[in-house]
Amino acid sequence: DQQVKQNSPSLSVQEGRISILNCDYTNSMFDYFLWYKKYPAEGPTFLISISSIKDKNEDGRFTVFLNKSAKHLSLHIVPSQPGDSAVYFCAASDEDAGNMLTFGGGTRLMVKP
Amino acid sequence: DSGVTQTPKHLITATGQRVTLRCSPRSGDLSVYWYQQSLDQGLQFLIQYYNGEERAKGNILERFSAQQFPDLHSELNLSSLELGDSALYFCASSVVSGGADTQYFGPGTRLTVL
Repeated sequence: DQQVKQNSPSLSVQEGRISILNCDYTNSMFDYFLWYKKYPAEGPTFLISISSIKDKNEDGRFTVFLNKSAKHLSLHIVPSQPGDSAVYFCAASDEDAGNMLTFGGGTRLMVKP
Repeated sequence: DSGVTQTPKHLITATGQRVTLRCSPRSGDLSVYWYQQSLDQGLQFLIQYYNGEERAKGNILERFSAQQFPDLHSELNLSSLELGDSALYFCASSVVSGGADTQYFGPGTRLTVL
């Protein structure tokens, strides 16, 4: 039973445009959400997070939106750059159950020059 | 560089063998987490230690065990290895054990079981 799902395995975007990566979850106990970026043969790199008490968090070119009623979050990257090409994972945790992360399957983002 | 170190980077061994993977957390972090990334399973949580004590267990096989030492480094022991244990093993660390606490990942150890 996948509690965190990223339904798009890949996404291709033109440089300078917006990239929108989506993530859905089923466990209503999740209250902290994170996005990680991963290159092949490297560890996941933390990008941005959001607590369930917020619906938006911004950090430079990266913005995460959380819709609790729909159990959906999205990562917006504006403007997209070729260096953003990587696999993006969303992850979720239930603060009361410890800090273990449940990951989605990842979305491969390709930003074309 | 996340500040989390893992050794070795690569490990090739045979079925039935035992290996130890090592992780040093970021300075000041008390929690260490182990994750496995295999081709068909994605990133899966294995086990968490906080300040030397086991805090949470995920989908960790009985053949696998871990510990966290007084200097806070951690080791993941994998025994009676099978072909299906071939995967990337990541360690992550965070300051505390719960709450909205971000985990930072190491570069991983690639284990190949032949």
